[in-house]
Amino acid sequence: QQQVRQSPQSLTVWEGETAILNCSYEDSTFDYFPWYWQFPRESPALLIAIRPVSNKKEDGRFTIFFNKREKKLSLHITDSQPGDSATYFCAASGGSGTYQRFGTGTKLQVVP
Amino acid sequence: DPKIIQKPKYLVAVTGSEKILICEQYLGHNAMYWYRQSAKKPLEFMFSYSYQKLMDNQTASSRFQPQSSKKNHLDLQITALKPDDSATYFCASSRTGGDNERLFFGHGTKLSVL
Repeated sequence: QQQVRQSPQSLTVWEGETAILNCSYEDSTFDYFPWYWQFPRESPALLIAIRPVSNKKEDGRFTIFFNKREKKLSLHITDSQPGDSATYFCAASGGSGTYQRFGTGTKLQVVP
Repeated sequence: DPKIIQKPKYLVAVTGSEKILICEQYLGHNAMYWYRQSAKKPLEFMFSYSYQKLMDNQTASSRFQPQSSKKNHLDLQITALKPDDSATYFCASSRTGGDNERLFFGHGTKLSVL
C-alpha cells in the first residue's frame, strides 16, 4: 500500500512559470514532510521540509503548502529555471516507524 | 569530499551469487539506512539502524541482511541474487534516527544481476 502519493508523474513548464507538485498521504500520525530532489545520476538531497505545526514553509523560490485536514501538501516552484529540472520526491515520517516513506516522484522539466 | 562512501559504485553479479555492499559515513551520525531505487519502486525503504541496533525492517526477504560492525558502518549482504534485485542501493544517514531528521544519501551502488 502506497502511503505517500505524488502527482503528476511528470511535469513540463516554461522557464519563469510556476511549477506545482502535489503530494498526499494516508497516515494522520505523520509529522515530518521533507521534499528531496534528485538530478540524473545523482543521489537524492533534501530541498525543503515542513512539520504540521505550520501550513506553509518558504525557502527562496520553493514553498510548501500544507493542508492537514485533507492530508495533502504541494510544492510550488516560482520563476522556474532550467536548473530546477529534476525528480522531486515527497516523503513522510512519524507514527509507526521512524523511517521516511517516499512517494513515487514527479519528474520536472523546465524548458528555456 | 563525500561524507558517505559506498563501495562499489557499480556491481555486476550472476543469479544465485552473493554480494556485500559497503557503506561508511563520516558525518558523525548515529543512524544509518538502506534504501533501494528501481524503475518499479522508486526509493523503497529497506532497513534502519540507530546506535548499531536495528530499528525498522521493511524487507520481506531474509536474503537481505544488514551488518553493522562499527557505528559508522552499515553494510548490506545479499544472498541468492535474482535479476529482480537489480537496482541502485542507497545508503543514508541521519543524526540520531528521530522521525524528523534530514537524510543524507551516499552516491549509491548500482547492482545489475544477470
